[in-house]
Amino acid sequence: GQQVMQIPQYQHVQEGEDFTTYCNSSTTLSNIQWYKQRPGGHPVFLIQLVKSGEVKKQKRLTFQFGEAKKNSSLHITATQTTDVGTYFCAGPGEGGSEKLVFGKGMKLTVNP
Amino acid sequence: EPEVTQTPSHQVTQMGQEVILRCVPISNHLYFYWYRQILGQKVEFLVSFYNNEISEKSEIFDDQFSVERPDGSNFTLKIRSTKLEDSAMYFCASSPYQWAAEQYFGPGTRLTVT
Repeated sequence: GQQVMQIPQYQHVQEGEDFTTYCNSSTTLSNIQWYKQRPGGHPVFLIQLVKSGEVKKQKRLTFQFGEAKKNSSLHITATQTTDVGTYFCAGPGEGGSEKLVFGKGMKLTVNP
Repeated sequence: EPEVTQTPSHQVTQMGQEVILRCVPISNHLYFYWYRQILGQKVEFLVSFYNNEISEKSEIFDDQFSVERPDGSNFTLKIRSTKLEDSAMYFCASSPYQWAAEQYFGPGTRLTVT
């Protein structure tokens, strides 16, 4: 079945560092979404990418959708303690499904 | 800013009991969803609901589960006879758009089955 994989599962960085996390789908996606879940919280929608090769920025976060629309990346510059949480990518299910298929998430911790 | 609300925040129940989890989606949204998240794991789709009927359900959503929109605002998930493995965080989500567009999640109900 369709799978959405994220690497790494855990990322520990020093405050101020940059890093990139990746999301790979087993199928081509019509769009990809990123969500952030703070510890003890709920997923919060961050962004949706639709076009092949699309790049979107939100302050220190840069999201990219791969050319083949099967992978995506999230790059965070100058990490802050407020960035702590689990970042999930999600894509629509196969065959025009309405559901979102989530990856397992990338849990970010930041050393101040 | 409008948000999805869910009640209760935590529900403890005994195995075999029925539970009803409640959600109030964002008022102008038309598409509603239930997801669950077992502690430390990924978010899993349960069911989507549009125009007063289920539009899609996962293999997790068996005959023990049902959803309802009893009035213009509430959206409920009922588990008829809870099992230990139903213990999880249950999230309601709503979207103004169809086809797995951006979804807005509620704060969740933590269900503990003992």
